[in-house]
Amino acid sequence: TQLLEQSPQFLSIQEGENLTVYCNSSSVFSSLQWYRQEPGEGPVLLVTVVTGGEVKKLKRLTFQFGDARKDSSLHITAAQPGDTGLYLCAGEFRGNTPLVFGKGTRLSVIA
Amino acid sequence: DTGVSQDPRHKITKRGQNVTFRCDPISEHNRLYWYRQTLGQGPEFLTYFQNEAQLEKSRLLSDRFSAERPKGSFSTLEIQRTEQGDSAMYLCASSPLEPKGSAYEQYFGPGTRLTVT
Repeated sequence: TQLLEQSPQFLSIQEGENLTVYCNSSSVFSSLQWYRQEPGEGPVLLVTVVTGGEVKKLKRLTFQFGDARKDSSLHITAAQPGDTGLYLCAGEFRGNTPLVFGKGTRLSVIA
Repeated sequence: DTGVSQDPRHKITKRGQNVTFRCDPISEHNRLYWYRQTLGQGPEFLTYFQNEAQLEKSRLLSDRFSAERPKGSFSTLEIQRTEQGDSAMYLCASSPLEPKGSAYEQYFGPGTRLTVT
């Protein structure tokens, strides 16, 4: 049973398009982290959201934590080829404990 | 750069051999985690330490796997009698004991890619 479901699994878009990636669960998390991973490398932390309804922006990336702290979304505006990678969401049931990861969304941005 | 480091980056071994991986966390981080990632999946938790104490082990961690963090600094993960199913990326992450703001953040190393032939 996958505790965190990410959708879509694969996404191929043209440069300049907008996209949204979803991370859903039936469980409540104390925090949720988004990572980006390049092939052959470890995940790189993008953002952590903690409060229900919280919105955080990182340049063209907007992250939102659901009001009930069960889901999250990542929106990218005007995608660029450099955004290509595997986007992973990871939830924490209690602070400073092992993360539960989704399977990831593999994004390809074509120039 | 004082990020998490892992060694080796790649390891190819024959089935039945033992392998050992090393992780050096960010120096001021007390917690150290091991995860395993197979193709097409997100990382899965294996075990974690607070200083030298091993706090939790996943059911994924069979008897052939052992992890240590003897001085509360670097950690090693050993796999005995490797099997082809052990082929994966082994990731190490560390986090501080105190939160950054209200969040505990884990920082990952580059991983060790294990191939068992």
